[in-house]
Amino acid sequence: AQKITQTQPGMFVQEKEAVTLDCTYDTSDQSYGLFWYKQPSSGEIIFLIYQGSYDEQNATEGRYSLNFQKARKSANLVISASQLGDSAMYFCAMGTSGTYKYIFGTGTRLKVLA
Amino acid sequence: NAGVTQTPKFRILKIGQSMTLQCAQDMNHNYMYWYRQDPGMGLKLIYYSVGAGITDKGEVPNGYNVSRSTTEDFPLRLELAAPSQTSVYFCASSYASAGQGAVYEQYFGPGTRLTVT
Repeated sequence: AQKITQTQPGMFVQEKEAVTLDCTYDTSDQSYGLFWYKQPSSGEIIFLIYQGSYDEQNATEGRYSLNFQKARKSANLVISASQLGDSAMYFCAMGTSGTYKYIFGTGTRLKVLA
Repeated sequence: NAGVTQTPKFRILKIGQSMTLQCAQDMNHNYMYWYRQDPGMGLKLIYYSVGAGITDKGEVPNGYNVSRSTTEDFPLRLELAAPSQTSVYFCASSYASAGQGAVYEQYFGPGTRLTVT
């Protein structure tokens, strides 16, 4: 069975510091993708970053990077130089090739402190 | 491009009423999805579609129906609304290149907040 686990319900980080949001996954598929989405208090869901299972390099998008450790089945999101606007709920998700269904973790609520 | 649009933004239903949540996308995506998000929780897949005329159940399909007559539209029908269907509903779409092993990000609509009383 496929599963996404986010063990941190809530996190605090000081403005301008880096923060890591944890995500572990379980799948028996060889071809899959891992995603992080941001949901601000306004409610919309915004795609942040993607890592494919065959990608050897960790994905980066601006201040976001994905620390992908395939053997450990982890895909942690690292936000560098946190900003007040980063305060939001963050979801880790996985999709598998062939089915194109996605599963989501329960989310981590991040609060950036001034 | 408007991306993924959903109507209405808010709706209050009485128990037993029915309604249709509308979803449309203008990105020519083959794959479309309906999720519900209960307070403080993640997203649960209700139904999805891999193309016009093809739909399949997700994790929580009971009490809902879908149809997909065009690539652009994917309405979600609630029959006999129940308080347990109070939630925020998100529609999403993604590009899919069948057979090439790639997985693509989803684009989400703004959501519909539904209350059943």
